Amino acid sequence: TQLLEQSPQFLSIQEGENLTVYCNSSSVFSSLQWYRQEPGEGPVLLVTVVTGGEVKKLKRLTFQFGDARKDSSLHITAAQPGDTGLYLCAGAGGSNYKLTFGKGTLLTVNP
Amino acid sequence: DTGVSQNPRHKITKRGQNVTFRCDPISEHNRLYWYRQTLGQGPEFLTYFQNEAQLEKSRLLSDRFSAERPKGSFSTLEIQRTEQGDSAMYLCASSPSGTGVGNTIYFGEGSWLTVV
Repeated sequence: TQLLEQSPQFLSIQEGENLTVYCNSSSVFSSLQWYRQEPGEGPVLLVTVVTGGEVKKLKRLTFQFGDARKDSSLHITAAQPGDTGLYLCAGAGGSNYKLTFGKGTLLTVNP
Repeated sequence: DTGVSQNPRHKITKRGQNVTFRCDPISEHNRLYWYRQTLGQGPEFLTYFQNEAQLEKSRLLSDRFSAERPKGSFSTLEIQRTEQGDSAMYLCASSPSGTGVGNTIYFGEGSWLTVV
């Protein structure tokens, strides 16, 4: 069974601060996706990373896939209240059709 | 592209009643998935369709749960004799077919079920 551990589980910061969220596993994934979810809504895709060592940037968000494709990180620069939400990482195995999710990091950015 | 559509968005039902959720995937997406999410947890895989064929079912999907995708387009998830433990958000997702690495899975807004 593939497991994804996300840390920290909760994070509360002030507007303008930087933060990093981690997603770790002992398993290798063929791809990894990051989602953001707001209360009562479905997860919204932020990015998909595929290649070991890959770095993708989405405005103030930087995503990195580990060289061994077992871990990933999400770094947010100058966080804003609109970044508040549950950040989920999800890995796809060899068949690439089924995602295994972490429990998520609940981020609160205070104005 | 209208996205993945789910309805109803919210359902409150009495224990023992049957409920059915509907999912309309993104058009031309051959793959359709159902996940379940409870508070404080990430989504958990329930089942997967490739066109109309149901190719995998999780052990989480007890015999009270049945999912169909009769024409390879929309899908339904029925829960019979609901129990309080079934209270959760039921998420539908879709993706294009193919074996390319990085096929992205898109989620709907979810259907909240509360069993009282």
